[in-house]
Amino acid sequence: EVQLQQSGAELVRPGTSVKLSCKVSGDTITAYYMHFVKQRPGQGLEWIGRIDPEDDSTKYAEKFKNKATLTADTSSNTAYLKLSSLTSEDTATYFCTTSYYYSGVYFDYWGQGVMVTVSS
Amino acid sequence: DIVMTQAPLSVSVTPGESASISCRSSKSLLHSNGITYVYWYLQKPGKSPQLLIYRMSNLASGVPDRFSGSGSETDFTLKISRVEAEDVGIYYCGQLLENPWTFGGGTKLELK
Repeated sequence: EVQLQQSGAELVRPGTSVKLSCKVSGDTITAYYMHFVKQRPGQGLEWIGRIDPEDDSTKYAEKFKNKATLTADTSSNTAYLKLSSLTSEDTATYFCTTSYYYSGVYFDYWGQGVMVTVSS
Repeated sequence: DIVMTQAPLSVSVTPGESASISCRSSKSLLHSNGITYVYWYLQKPGKSPQLLIYRMSNLASGVPDRFSGSGSETDFTLKISRVEAEDVGIYYCGQLLENPWTFGGGTKLELK
């Protein structure tokens, strides 16, 4: 079974950057698009973007184009989300997620989420 | 971007009774391949979202058949029959037709 294991909670200073990881186990990361979703405290879900680890192609939501950078390392089966120029607006839980449809079955996986707190 | 609008904001249900949640999209979610790309998720407190319904009306693996999804090209409904305590949480509809994926604001289900 595929599992997505995310890195631990982060407390970071405003203006700095943070890089979050999402490690895939149970299959090769190149089989999926990996998406990242933001959830601010008490708020809804917001799609950040996705990466295709097969060719490193990326798509971002417009509001995250200067905020987020998605990368993948196929040797470690891990996808990364880097957030730059952090402000209090970036305080949130970030999820990685992937889904695909194969042979009549729909597979949907989520990481456990990682809380990022931006504070001085 | 496609806007997803959910209603109600919250619903209070007596265990054993039914609940319905509505979701409307600002654009048709029906693809030319005949698939309607609306999804329903439940997020339990402190947990990651979990898929309930995919492609408007298909039950995800392991999800009780008390859950069902229906709709048209822009109007969708999640119905929960015989609500149980484990159904408490926030329900989100989402469209995966095109990037950016977008989600409704969520509907909180609680028990009376």
